[in-house]
Amino acid sequence: GENVEQHPSTLSVQEGDSAVIKCTYSDSASNYFPWYKQELGKRPQLIIDIRSNVGEKKDQRIAVTLNKTAKHFSLHITETQPEDSAVYFCAASQWNNNDMRFGAGTRLTVKP
Amino acid sequence: ETGVTQSPTHLIKTRGQQVTLRCSSQSGHNTVSWYQQALGQGPQFIFQYYREEENGRGNFPPRFSGLQFPNYSSELNVNALELDDSALYLCASSSPGQAGELFFGEGSRLTVL
Repeated sequence: GENVEQHPSTLSVQEGDSAVIKCTYSDSASNYFPWYKQELGKRPQLIIDIRSNVGEKKDQRIAVTLNKTAKHFSLHITETQPEDSAVYFCAASQWNNNDMRFGAGTRLTVKP
Repeated sequence: ETGVTQSPTHLIKTRGQQVTLRCSSQSGHNTVSWYQQALGQGPQFIFQYYREEENGRGNFPPRFSGLQFPNYSSELNVNALELDDSALYLCASSSPGQAGELFFGEGSRLTVL
C-alpha cells in the first residue's frame, strides 16, 4: 500500500518568511495529493490539492509542487503570518480516496 | 449546508469494552471514511463506506467494523478495546462529484483505561 513520509516534523519561522514542507510517496498509482491544515483541537481542513496531471498549483500565498518521477510533492507558504501556525498534513491517494494515506504532520510555528 | 457531525465528542472506556461512534455526513455526500489519529500522528485510514458497502480498508484488525445507513450516516464499532485504541477518531465525507476533497468532522476522542 501507499506510504507517505513528511519532513520536517517541526518548523519555526519568523513572520514574513517562507515555509516549505516536503513529502514523498511510494505508490506510483497515486494521483491525488491534498494538503490539510489542523489547528489545535480542530478538524483537518483542506487548504490546497494537486492532481498528477499538473506540476504546480498556486492559491494566493500557498503553492504546491509535484514531481511524479521522483514521487515527491511540497507545500510552499510565502509571507507567513501568525495565523498560519498549525499542523500541516500531506496525503496521497488514487482518485476515489478509498485509501488516502497521510503523512505524520509538520507543526509550523510562525513567530511574530 | 450541514457539515459532518460526530458523536460523542469525548468518551472513556475500559479495556475489553466495546464502543460505537457515529457520524452524519455532509449533505449530498454518499461516501464516508473513518480515520484514527493518535496523539502527534497523522490520520490513519480505517475504512471507507460507499452506498452502504465497505469500499476499502486499511491495516486494522476485524474488531474494527462499520456500517453505513441509507441516509449515508455511518457508525464505527470497536470491540475488545485495547489501551492503544485511545485516539481521536475522525469521520470524513466526500462525494465523487467533488473531486476528492474530504470533509472532516470534529472527531470523537476515545480514552481507554
